[in-house]
Amino acid sequence: ILNVEQSPQSLHVQEGDSTNFTCSFPSSNFYALHWYRWETAKSPEALFVMTLNGDEKKKGRISATLNTKEGYSYLYIKGSQPEDSATYLCACTSGTYKYIFGTGTRLKVLA
Amino acid sequence: AAGVIQSPRHLIKEKRETATLKCYPIPRHDTVYWYQQGPGQDPQFLISFYEKMQSDKGSIPDRFSAQQFSDYHSELNMSSLELGDSALYFCASSLGDRGNEQFFGPGTRLTVL
Repeated sequence: ILNVEQSPQSLHVQEGDSTNFTCSFPSSNFYALHWYRWETAKSPEALFVMTLNGDEKKKGRISATLNTKEGYSYLYIKGSQPEDSATYLCACTSGTYKYIFGTGTRLKVLA
Repeated sequence: AAGVIQSPRHLIKEKRETATLKCYPIPRHDTVYWYQQGPGQDPQFLISFYEKMQSDKGSIPDRFSAQQFSDYHSELNMSSLELGDSALYFCASSLGDRGNEQFFGPGTRLTVL
């Protein structure tokens, strides 16, 4: 069974703070790691797809890194803004398991 | 820019009825994914299609079926609806499969009474 775990479960930060969260996944038969930004009752937004060990991707103030050997990915947000408040989900494709989602990190940025 | 279109946006059905959800991918995208998110639950991957063939299968119930047509749009058919099928159903599309960025539609909210 493929377990994808995210930590922390929820996070409150002040506007302007930088923050990061973790997605852990089994490293065997890894294929791809996806990060999504998911606001309640809105369409999810795909942030990054990473496939290679050592991948680093950046979109504005958000960046992500991937370590497939140890089975983790970090998502970083620099200078958090209230509009960054959302649930950040990662999903892993590995072997025959398709798009197993983590439980998400619920971020609240306080103005 | 054109986005993923889903129809209908809202659907109300009774138990044991049938529902069909439609997804129109971004032009030139050849892969479609279906996801289900129940109230307060994590999203679940249901099924995906690449070039009109089923590519990956997730936690799709046997009562559900889906297909991708020659114009790349996809339909999710849900029969013998149960109360627990009430959820947001999202469709996403990508160019190529698995490792490429997915773009999501606005979702269809299905309510089963």
